[in-house]
Amino acid sequence: TQLLEQSPQFLSIQEGENLTVYCNSSSVFSSLQWYRQEPGEGPVLLVTVVTGGEVKKLKRLTFQFGDARKDSSLHITAAQPGDTGLYLCAGGSNYKLTFGKGTLLTVNP
Amino acid sequence: GAGVSQSPSNKVTEKGKDVELRCDPISGHTALYWYRQSLGQGLEFLIYFQGNSAPDKSGLPSDRFSAERTGGSVSTLTIQRTQQEDSAVYLCASTKTGTSGIYEQYFGPGTRLTVT
Repeated sequence: TQLLEQSPQFLSIQEGENLTVYCNSSSVFSSLQWYRQEPGEGPVLLVTVVTGGEVKKLKRLTFQFGDARKDSSLHITAAQPGDTGLYLCAGGSNYKLTFGKGTLLTVNP
Repeated sequence: GAGVSQSPSNKVTEKGKDVELRCDPISGHTALYWYRQSLGQGLEFLIYFQGNSAPDKSGLPSDRFSAERTGGSVSTLTIQRTQQEDSAVYLCASTKTGTSGIYEQYFGPGTRLTVT
């Protein structure tokens, strides 16, 4: 069974601070996806990384896939209240994704 | 371009009753998934459809759960004789058949099921 561990589970910060959340596994994935979920809504795909060592930037968000394709990180620069939400990572090697339990981020104004 | 829609958005039912949850995927998406999300438990895979067939039903928790998909489009998840532990948010997602093994999922807003 493939498992994805996300840390921290909860994170509460002030507007303007930087933060990093992590997604770790003992399994290798062919791709890793990050989603953000807001209350009462379904998860929304932010990015997909597929190559070991790959770095992708989406405005203030930077995503990195580990060299061994077992782990990933999400770094947010100058967090804003609109970044508040549940961040989920999901690893895939075929049609089936394995989801982590998520990091619940609160950015206080 | 409409996204994935689900109905109802909320459902309160009494223990022992049957419920049907509906999912309308994005037009042209051949793959469809059902997940269950409980507080603190993450997304639990239930079933995967490719077209109208379900090659992976391994996540259905018991034989009280069933799902079907017709016309390669709408899917219905049915829970018979509901139990309190069935209370959760049920999410549907659709995707194009993945190229290079990548299946990027588009989720609906979910159905919040409460069994009293």
